[in-house]
Amino acid sequence: SQQGEEDPQALSIQEGENATMNCSYKTSINNLQWYRQNSGRGLVHLILIRSNEREKHSGRLRVTLDTSKKSSSLLITASRAADTASYFCATLLRGTSYGKLTFGQGTILTVHP
Amino acid sequence: EPEVTQTPSHQVTQMGQEVILRCVPISNHLYFYWYRQILGQKVEFLVSFYNNEISEKSEIFDDQFSVERPDGSNFTLKIRSTKLEDSAMYFCASSERLAGSEQYFGPGTRLTVT
Repeated sequence: SQQGEEDPQALSIQEGENATMNCSYKTSINNLQWYRQNSGRGLVHLILIRSNEREKHSGRLRVTLDTSKKSSSLLITASRAADTASYFCATLLRGTSYGKLTFGQGTILTVHP
Repeated sequence: EPEVTQTPSHQVTQMGQEVILRCVPISNHLYFYWYRQILGQKVEFLVSFYNNEISEKSEIFDDQFSVERPDGSNFTLKIRSTKLEDSAMYFCASSERLAGSEQYFGPGTRLTVT
């Protein structure tokens, strides 16, 4: 397995439902960041959670981090069709001094109107 | 809201040619990065840059690649002699601090090598 693996690989839901995506990693981290990417476009930063934090909120987004299980989850509540995108977790390893982020393969979220 | 910009949005070049991808990071950021994403694959780190020198580079970032901050606003990635396998989306990113700081990405340059 590699650092930063998301599951599921694809998620299809109806508008208004909640979407939960998970990310697992192997090595101790400094922080974990979630990004969104619309098809063929740039990466939009969603939220950063530090290794000493357990939960963060930003609007309809809720991120949790469990360092004992080396996992994080991203919850999007009351999803909208505009949330359709790929979602990536990216980890900054502990002890990494130079900002290298390691990305997962991503979860493709489709929200049906 | 400040954002990272990149030009061009799409570059087509022939194998063996040199290309320069340009980025304007967020103005008060001090740390700059290049990543790439081959179609259908993960985003991969290429290089980080601070204080006018490379801080870290991946194994992908070989002698064909170079980075430069030619002035106070631009940050460039040069590929000296492009190969077919260099075809990818190249993203520039910047951050205010190093560890523990959000990295903000530009919209990317799609490089197609023919």
